[in-house]
Amino acid sequence: QVQLQESGPGLVKPSQTLSLTCTVSGGSISSGSYYWSWIRQPAGKGLEWIGRIYTSGSTNYNPSLKSRVTISVDTSKNQFSLKLSSVTAADTAVYYCARAPRERYMDVWGKGTTVTVSS
Amino acid sequence: QSALTQPASVSGSPGQSITISCTGTSSDVGGYNYVSWYQQHPGKAPKLMIYDVSKRPSGVSNRFSGSKSGNTASLTISGLQAEDEADYYCCSYAGSSTVVFGGGTKLTVL
Repeated sequence: QVQLQESGPGLVKPSQTLSLTCTVSGGSISSGSYYWSWIRQPAGKGLEWIGRIYTSGSTNYNPSLKSRVTISVDTSKNQFSLKLSSVTAADTAVYYCARAPRERYMDVWGKGTTVTVSS
Repeated sequence: QSALTQPASVSGSPGQSITISCTGTSSDVGGYNYVSWYQQHPGKAPKLMIYDVSKRPSGVSNRFSGSKSGNTASLTISGLQAEDEADYYCCSYAGSSTVVFGGGTKLTVL
């Protein structure tokens, strides 16, 4: 079955760009009509949807983060990525990648990776 | 786009039924039949339990059910078991290809 695994630096300095990659295994990222999403969760708090990319490359972002977020896909590596610019301490969170069969729900999640923003 | 409103906590005894509410607006919960629910145990990733208001993914117990009335969606867990103790999050389509989550509810099995 499809599995997702997040990877990237666990520590990012304020004002820099957070970069994470999600590697998809057990299936091709470009097969089927799936959306590939990013969600985050600050410690002790709720989930926040960041955005998604479709297999065609089209993207949708949370309006509150849109100016700082870029999601891209690399089908040759079976990966999709998240870049969040100008980070502050408020961006410290566990970041999850997930597969979405439809825009409205996510059925397979990665285990999550913790990113801390600190100097 | 504001987070959906969920009670901070609910509790119940084994064997009982509990219901978790998720209140939004006509722009999200009330406007679409696209509410999903996720279960999250401590330190684990969320797990999809319900989608499209009341549909259960394969492998999810039929003790979990979902419904919606107006701007409020609900998740009901019947025959409560110790393993159901977790955080639960609702999520709704909010138009313009976006989704919004609820603040989460901590379920305690007494």
